[in-house]
Amino acid sequence: QKEVEQDPGPLSVPEGAIVSLNCTYSNSAFQYFMWYRQYSRKGPELLMYTYSSGNKEDGRFTAQVDKSSKYISLFIRDSQPSDSATYLCAMGAGGFKTIFGAGTRLFVKA
Amino acid sequence: DVKVTQSSRYLVKRTGEKVFLECVQDMDHENMFWYRQDPGLGLRLIYFSYDVKMKEKGDIPEGYSVSREKKERFSLILESASTNQTSMYLCASSDAERQYFGPGTRLTVT
Repeated sequence: QKEVEQDPGPLSVPEGAIVSLNCTYSNSAFQYFMWYRQYSRKGPELLMYTYSSGNKEDGRFTAQVDKSSKYISLFIRDSQPSDSATYLCAMGAGGFKTIFGAGTRLFVKA
Repeated sequence: DVKVTQSSRYLVKRTGEKVFLECVQDMDHENMFWYRQDPGLGLRLIYFSYDVKMKEKGDIPEGYSVSREKKERFSLILESASTNQTSMYLCASSDAERQYFGPGTRLTVT
């Protein structure tokens, strides 16, 4: 079993939809959680970072962490075609090792 | 803004060649990382460095070596390139948990 599971998609939604992206994990020691966005042929870009359970909001993006269920989510409100990308979850327990999900491909249709 | 740059966006090399991939960061970060990214496999850590001249093996170090002579620069070396090293190579730097990625180098070994 992988430490981090992420559905690869693709996920296709119409413009304006609310998008929900999810990851589950098995290691209860994970303390910090991140979401990255990666456009085609580019490097991942850090979108959200959180260290605790609950919600964190930044513009149209909300990161949610449920440590009791070992489940994290990224919500995108009012999705735009420019949000079309691969979204990677990432997490770690401290130190140097960060574990990345395999990524979910998202397509937002105009 | 953190800036991580990589020496080449695209490289084509022949089997058996020695290949150098260079990464430079401008944020005085202690930690630097080299990953490869392949479809369906996500990001896999090759090597990381937590200080000048210090390095640690990641999950897939075989066939690779690294060099960190200056804090801002981290090099990945493929001693004798093979076709199974065709991949996207991503460099990252961090001061703590948050990793910041370069644009990536797409290496093709023929």
